[in-house]
Amino acid sequence: EPEVTQTPSHQVTQMGQEVILRCVPISNHLYFYWYRQILGQKVEFLVSFYNNEISEKSEIFDDQFSVERPDGSNFTLKIRSTKLEDSAMYFCASSEARGGANEKLFFGSGTQLSVL
Amino acid sequence: AQSVTQLGSHVSVSEGALVLLRCNYSSSVPPYLFWYVQYPNQGLQLLLKYTTGATLVKGINGFEAEFKKSETSFHLTKPSAHMSDAAEYFCAVSLASSARQLTFGSGTQLTVLP
Repeated sequence: EPEVTQTPSHQVTQMGQEVILRCVPISNHLYFYWYRQILGQKVEFLVSFYNNEISEKSEIFDDQFSVERPDGSNFTLKIRSTKLEDSAMYFCASSEARGGANEKLFFGSGTQLSVL
Repeated sequence: AQSVTQLGSHVSVSEGALVLLRCNYSSSVPPYLFWYVQYPNQGLQLLLKYTTGATLVKGINGFEAEFKKSETSFHLTKPSAHMSDAAEYFCAVSLASSARQLTFGSGTQLTVLP
């Protein structure tokens, strides 16, 4: 079965540094997402992306966050100036359908971000 | 706004025993409901989902869940646990109009004892 690939699996960075998390969605998918899970907390929606623009975002997704599809295959999440509280597992997902009952999200295995 | 509550962060069952993972939701509009499983070092994998129609939904690996509107529940069951079922299970809800934006529960870690 096709899968969503995320790199790196672990990322360690210093507070205040920029970090880019990378994802390769499934090739024929049109919708892309980022979710995160802080240790011991729920998986939370960050942002969805379609047709080269953000379609939905949560309150968590503030000006420090940005997403990009730079080359038609990768989908990236950038955090401009990391904070300690950004430490979390970040999941990328993609889907094919345009919403409704047929929507199915495929998730990557996550990138564990540790901000020191 | 919608929310999900999973009762029991850790559940242990013996191999061959019934698996029951509880999920209750709240939603102001008819929801779509999902169960995802996460095996170690892997991504979230969809087990099953309820959108409309039959309230008993069958998923992969012998799991099923029943949507009970009167109880606002969507509990996950499997008649006979297998060692390979050990994983973390997440219940999630979305609005029917925006199935892409999932609200997850806090997860239940299932341990299967030999």
